[in-house]
Amino acid sequence: DGGITQSPKYLFRKEGQNVTLSCEQNLNHDAMYWYRQDPGQGLRLIYYSQIVNDFQKGDIAEGYSVSREKKESFPLTVTSAQKNPTAFYLCASRASGIYNEQFFGPGTRLTVL
Amino acid sequence: KNQVEQSPQSLIILEGKNCTLQCNYTVSPFSNLRWYKQDTGRGPVSLTIMTFSENTKSNGRYTATLDADTKQSSLHITASQLSDSASYICVVSANFGNEKLTFGTGTRLTIIP
Repeated sequence: DGGITQSPKYLFRKEGQNVTLSCEQNLNHDAMYWYRQDPGQGLRLIYYSQIVNDFQKGDIAEGYSVSREKKESFPLTVTSAQKNPTAFYLCASRASGIYNEQFFGPGTRLTVL
Repeated sequence: KNQVEQSPQSLIILEGKNCTLQCNYTVSPFSNLRWYKQDTGRGPVSLTIMTFSENTKSNGRYTATLDADTKQSSLHITASQLSDSASYICVVSANFGNEKLTFGTGTRLTIIP
């Protein structure tokens, strides 16, 4: 899990509620990412940020929002507009270099009741 | 459309045996190929990363190969251990100026004693 932490590990939400997933890294990486993982599917990119105060939509951004006020933090809010939010959410940060390797956090499992 | 296909979808082998996982991709422009190990309920952990010019890379009992001409990669696990039970995900990076990752759906490996 390296220097990336995600909290909480498990999260339960009622329909119609917004929830915020936390992601913190102490690796001094500029770029951070949010992915969603569903059974039988590859990871899908929700949002990414390459620098503080800037972020871009990924492939499945609808129903999600993010902020990047600090280099170390990249929280993800799952809004009530997300139709099927139950999934495993992974945060990652990227090292600069020849490989641009991404390091993943331990994940948050969100279940909508 | 960029795609990464992995086979087999699942595999069960006896402890101590070797196995090989396959990854075929149609991603361009190709930047690098990565293999990750993901334990159940955890974040992926990097095993190997290879660029276009690298055709083999090892990490302990894990050896990855890359054939950029046929767009195929394999991950060979030697002398399997119970702790190797996990999902193995092939990820291919394309670089359009901004890096874009395409994830395979993974191979679920189970090692039995």
